[in-house]
Amino acid sequence: SAVISQKPSRDICQRGTSLTIQCQVDSQVTMMFWYRQQPGQSLTLIATANQGSEATYESGFVIDKFPISRPNLTFSTLTVSNMSPEDSSIYLCSVGTSGSLEQYFGPGTRLTVT
Amino acid sequence: GENVEQHPSTLSVQEGDSAVIKCTYSDSASNYFPWYKQELGKRPQLIIDIRSNVGEKKDQRIAVTLNKTAKHFSLHITETQPEDSAVYFCAASLSSNTGKLIFGQGTTLQVKP
Repeated sequence: SAVISQKPSRDICQRGTSLTIQCQVDSQVTMMFWYRQQPGQSLTLIATANQGSEATYESGFVIDKFPISRPNLTFSTLTVSNMSPEDSSIYLCSVGTSGSLEQYFGPGTRLTVT
Repeated sequence: GENVEQHPSTLSVQEGDSAVIKCTYSDSASNYFPWYKQELGKRPQLIIDIRSNVGEKKDQRIAVTLNKTAKHFSLHITETQPEDSAVYFCAASLSSNTGKLIFGQGTTLQVKP
């Protein structure tokens, strides 16, 4: 399966600032998704990162708060904007390929907002 | 919208015993059901999955069963070992062909040596 990396692995940020998280895959993938996992909780889908077009957001998530880029088939970024302590969470990207329903996760980015 | 319910939330078993985790889903058009294992501080790892045209799938000590009529699927772990201790998540695909997954709430499995 593909090797997926995320940067940064963790960060501590001040409220009101923004953080951009990168997801890099070592091979081209059709699908890339961004999830949030709050402490002790399950995984919640934020959005689907579409290559060359705007991301598709799930209910409760908006582009102004979580802008996403996907310039090619191996890379995507998620920005958490105007952060508040409620944004403290683990953010994970996942990838999948067309013809296969399997999804694989990146190592995650642990974000703490103070 | 699609909803996935997972039970139990915690499960404690003795080493060597079996463990069963159950999930129900709401969208009858869901066609893909993966299970992930997440160890503390690690990423979720895909351990087994099943598609809607199959009733059961087995991989060594783990197996998954699917009952489409009842809209539920289960993870079975036999001969549990301490290294099976982790949080397990079930998921179901949305009916549209988007690859999106909806996750259950998770089950914390503790295997006591």
